[in-house]
Amino acid sequence: GENVEQHPSTLSVQEGDSAVIKCTYSDSASNYFPWYKQELGKRPQLIIDIRSNVGEKKDQRIAVTLNKTAKHFSLHITETQPEDSAVYFCAASPGAAGNKLTFGGGTRVLVKP
Amino acid sequence: ETGVTQTPRHLVMGMTNKKSLKCEQHLGHNAMYWYKQSAKKPLELMFVYNFKEQTENNSVPSRFSPECPNSSHLFLHLHTLQPEDSALYLCASSQDLAGAGDTQYFGPGTRLTVL
Repeated sequence: GENVEQHPSTLSVQEGDSAVIKCTYSDSASNYFPWYKQELGKRPQLIIDIRSNVGEKKDQRIAVTLNKTAKHFSLHITETQPEDSAVYFCAASPGAAGNKLTFGGGTRVLVKP
Repeated sequence: ETGVTQTPRHLVMGMTNKKSLKCEQHLGHNAMYWYKQSAKKPLELMFVYNFKEQTENNSVPSRFSPECPNSSHLFLHLHTLQPEDSALYLCASSQDLAGAGDTQYFGPGTRLTVL
């Protein structure tokens, strides 16, 4: 089955700096890669996703890049703000199995004012 | 947010108890999911239902028994659990399992403690 590795497990950045989280996956059939943000005590919420026919996608301060050859994808947050502090999860979905998501271990991001 | 609701929000039970978790989605979705979220572990998919039919059982012990009476409701029946089953149980729903890549919306979760 699919295996998703996520690094780093914790990330501390100064407000205004950029944050980058990287994920690798094992199943070359995976074709959908969402990123979820989970604030303390709250539910995971989708912040951005990318499909395998696209190499990069941006939404304001958030961007995701995908390298299918290397089987890795990354989340980039620019101009970080204290409200970006949360746990971020990447996930991969093998298309042949529908929408079954395999999650990475999560990255705890702390933005210091 | 009221798209996906879960009850109860917190549950403490003994190892011999029987309890049920409930999930309801008001989004008109066709697929529903149960996940387990433990400290220091990734979100683990437990069960998937599509149009009320179970399409995935991720090697979950039989002490967890899911039920999906219709596309809007999902239950997780708990029986003779172990302390290591203590975790946050999250429900999610999505529009259609057939097309890969539709967004899953999560409920707030039930924090379960097994004594």
